[in-house]
Amino acid sequence: GENVEQHPSTLSVQEGDSAVIKCTYSDSASNYFPWYKQELGKRPQLIIDIRSNVGEKKDQRIAVTLNKTAKHFSLHITETQPEDSAVYFCAASRTNTGGFKTIFGAGTRLFVKA
Amino acid sequence: DAGVIQSPRHEVTEMGQEVTLRCKPISGHDYLFWYRQTMMRGLELLIYFNNNVPIDDSGMPEDRFSAKMPNASFSTLKIQPSEPRDSAVYFCASSGRGRGNYGYTFGSGTRLTVV
Repeated sequence: GENVEQHPSTLSVQEGDSAVIKCTYSDSASNYFPWYKQELGKRPQLIIDIRSNVGEKKDQRIAVTLNKTAKHFSLHITETQPEDSAVYFCAASRTNTGGFKTIFGAGTRLFVKA
Repeated sequence: DAGVIQSPRHEVTEMGQEVTLRCKPISGHDYLFWYRQTMMRGLELLIYFNNNVPIDDSGMPEDRFSAKMPNASFSTLKIQPSEPRDSAVYFCASSGRGRGNYGYTFGSGTRLTVV
């Protein structure tokens, strides 16, 4: 079945450093790749997304890259701040078929040390 | 918009009891999803609806779980009878795919504890 693998499971960085989280997906028909941030005890919230016709997208300190051939996509956070500490989930979804199901990765717990 | 609204926020119940979780999606969103989150299994899709019609319920663990969406503004997830292994946070999410908005807006979740 469809699967999304996410690495690393835990990431600890110093404030101001960059953080990179990587995901791979198995369903070659996936064409939409969102990233969600979940703070402790809160709901997951969409922070950025990318569609399969785009290779890179940036929004201030966060960026996402997509390699469709390799079925890889990554989240990059620059100049990390303590408030970036959270669990980040990648996901893959088909949007152009009858179904609309999003498969989530297992999550990466990011710690930003002040 | 108030976002996706779930109730109750917390539920503690005894094994064998019936539990009903409620969700009000964002007005105009045509997709509604029920997810379960645990440390061991992460975010699992249980069922999703499109325009109030169940599309995929393959993630529903067993017959003890059922979900309904009687209208565009309300959905329920029912567990009967509940078991301790059902303890988890249950999230409802909605999406406006019909408008080209594919991202999910999650509710605050219901933390269910079955003792």
